[in-house]
Amino acid sequence: GAVVSQHPSWVICKSGTSVKIECRSLDFQATTMFWYRQFPKQSLMLMATSNEGSKATYEQGVEKDKFLINHASLTLSTLTVTSAHPEDSSFYICSIMTAFGEQYFGPGTRLTVT
Amino acid sequence: QKEVEQDPGPLSVPEGAIVSLNCTYSNSAFQYFMWYRQYSRKGPELLMYTYSSGNKEDGRFTAQVDKSSKYISLFIRDSQPSDSATYLCAMSRAGGTSYGKLTFGQGTILTVHP
Repeated sequence: GAVVSQHPSWVICKSGTSVKIECRSLDFQATTMFWYRQFPKQSLMLMATSNEGSKATYEQGVEKDKFLINHASLTLSTLTVTSAHPEDSSFYICSIMTAFGEQYFGPGTRLTVT
Repeated sequence: QKEVEQDPGPLSVPEGAIVSLNCTYSNSAFQYFMWYRQYSRKGPELLMYTYSSGNKEDGRFTAQVDKSSKYISLFIRDSQPSDSATYLCAMSRAGGTSYGKLTFGQGTILTVHP
C-alpha cells in the first residue's frame, strides 16, 4: 500500500496561535487527499477534501477560514489550524486515495492547545 | 439514526479464537467497503477493501459483504495478542462529489488475551 507521513506527530501550542500540519505521500502521487479529525474514544470524522491545484472542499460544519488547507503538489498537503483554541485539541489524520479507491492514512498528528 | 452502525464492544477473546466484527449501514449508495485496524494513538491501517457482495480473503482475515442486507463483516482467524486494537469499518459512495469520502463506524475495541 501507499506510504503516508505526517509532521509533526505531536504539537502543543498556546491558545490564539496557528499550527501547520504537513501530510506527505511518499511513494504515490495523490491528486486527492483527505483530512480527518478524531476526538478521544470517537471515530474519524471527515473535515475536508484536498485537491491538488484547487481549493479544498469542506464538510458541513467545518470552518474553512479556521482550517486552511493547501495542496500545492501531488505529494504534499498542509492543514493550518488558525487561532487555535482548546476545543481544537484533537488527533488530525490525513489520507490519500489511490486510483483503485483504496485509502491509506498517515500516522496522525496530536494537537494540544493550552 | 447513524448511517453506519458498529458495535463498540469491547470484545475480549482468548488467543486462537475466531473473531467476528460487524457493521450495518442504511444508505444503499455505499458501494465501497473497508476495514481498518487502529492501534492507540496511531493512524488507521487498511486491512481489507471490497466493492462487491461476497467474500474476500487475505491471510487470517476474511471480509464479507451482503449488499442486500446492508451488512458487512470481518472475520479474524487464529487471533493473536498483536491483533488487539480498535477495528473500524468504513464505506464510501461510488462516483460524484462524494467519491472517496469515507463514513466510519464507531469502531470495535478488541482484546486478545494469551
